[in-house]
Amino acid sequence: SQELEQSPQSLIVQEGKNLTINCTSSKTLYGLYWYKQKYGEGLIFLMMLQKGGEEKSHEKITAKLDEKKQQSSLHITASQPSHAGIYLCGADISNNDMRFGAGTRLTVKP
Amino acid sequence: NAGVMQNPRHLVRRRGQEARLRCSPMKGHSHVYWYRQLPEEGLKFMVYLQKENIIDESGMPKERFSAEFPKEGPSILRIQQVVRGDSAAYFCASSPEGHEQYFGPGTRLTVT
Repeated sequence: SQELEQSPQSLIVQEGKNLTINCTSSKTLYGLYWYKQKYGEGLIFLMMLQKGGEEKSHEKITAKLDEKKQQSSLHITASQPSHAGIYLCGADISNNDMRFGAGTRLTVKP
Repeated sequence: NAGVMQNPRHLVRRRGQEARLRCSPMKGHSHVYWYRQLPEEGLKFMVYLQKENIIDESGMPKERFSAEFPKEGPSILRIQQVVRGDSAAYFCASSPEGHEQYFGPGTRLTVT
């Protein structure tokens, strides 16, 4: 059921560095969601994007949805160890049909 | 290695009936998560189970909803005495160790 291309699969950055995670689909996305997974916990909802060109920010995390609504990026500014985890994108590709990326494992080195 | 399987894909129940949603994790996975799809949040966490144990059920409604993951067989999400507000898509995910989650295709429950 993971039909969104998410990249990179894993990412190791030094604390304080910026990073970007991408989520791409060949189909138009009707709703794009970003989540964070922590070990042994359910998904933590980060942001939802619906409109082409939309951009949302929460603290140091910014997510964008391109004009064509086929690609989204998640950008973290000045990463901290607390940002470490697995980031997952999910999207509505048709009426109530949801698909997921494979996740990006982020490690932040102090 | 087959992916996470959920059945049925579509389930129609009348108000007051019971709904049973099944999730077969990927081979070797002993962790299962259940989510409900909400319009503005995508997935809303319901419960996290390991084999024969409920680890976290903080997202489960206190009444009518229950989940199990027996030693043998699929994980089951049970909704008793369904109401129209239970209509939604329910997704499960499995994980080998509690980290990466692999999602099933979902079960769409319609309560008439």
